[in-house]
Amino acid sequence: QSVLTQPPSASGTPGQRVTISCSGSSSNIGTNTVNWYQQLPGTAPKLLIYSNNQRPSGIPDRFSGSKSGTSASLAISGLQSEDEADYYCAAWDDSLNAWVFGGGTKLTVL
Amino acid sequence: EVQLVESGGGLVQPGGSLRLSCAASGFTFSSYSMNWVRQAPGKGLEWVSYISSSSSVIYYADSVKGRFTISRDNAKNSLFLQMNSLRDEDTAEYFCARGHSIDVWGKGTTVTVSS
Repeated sequence: QSVLTQPPSASGTPGQRVTISCSGSSSNIGTNTVNWYQQLPGTAPKLLIYSNNQRPSGIPDRFSGSKSGTSASLAISGLQSEDEADYYCAAWDDSLNAWVFGGGTKLTVL
Repeated sequence: EVQLVESGGGLVQPGGSLRLSCAASGFTFSSYSMNWVRQAPGKGLEWVSYISSSSSVIYYADSVKGRFTISRDNAKNSLFLQMNSLRDEDTAEYFCARGHSIDVWGKGTTVTVSS
C-alpha cells in the first residue's frame, strides 16, 4: 500500500489530453513539493516535473503539473505513442522522514 | 554529462550480505545529498535511504532499518549501500539517485535474494 495514491491505469488516444492524479496527506503533499517521474519500459525513471509544476530542461511543455492542498496532478496534452509509460508521483514526508512514492500509473496510448 | 553508475548487484542467499556502489561523474558529488531507491520486479518505486552531502544526516525506510547502511566517499565520488540480513523481499533493481529532489537516476543494479 503506497503512501501516495494514484490510479493504476490511464489511457487516451493520440492528440488527446490526459491527467493523472496523486493524493497524499498533510505530512507530504500538503507540506512539500511534488515530483513526477516517467519510466519507459526497461529503463530507469526520469524526472518529468519538479517543485509541483517545473519542467527540467528538455522536457516538452506538453507535460504540466499542478498541486492543490494534499493532491497533485500531471497533465499530458497532445498525447503521443512514445508517452506510453509508467508515471509516478513523489514527495518528501515530514512525519516519516522519507521520500514517498505513488504506486504508479500505467499510461496506454490507444 | 551527469552520470550515476551502480554496481555490486548479484544473487545472494537469504540472510546473506551484499555491498552496492554508485560512481558519480559530471557534477560536484560532494555538494549533493544522495538516495537509494529500489523497484521489485513488476512493482512500483520504493525509496530506501538518504544521506546528506556531508554524511551528517541519514534516513532509512522502515523496511530496511537496522539491516542496511548507507555511506559515501566524497573524495572518490562514490555512494554505497551495505545490505545485511537480506530477505526474499529485498529482491529488486536498486537505483542511486541524486539530491534532495531526486533529479538524476542511475540505470540500476539487480539484486536477487534466493536460495
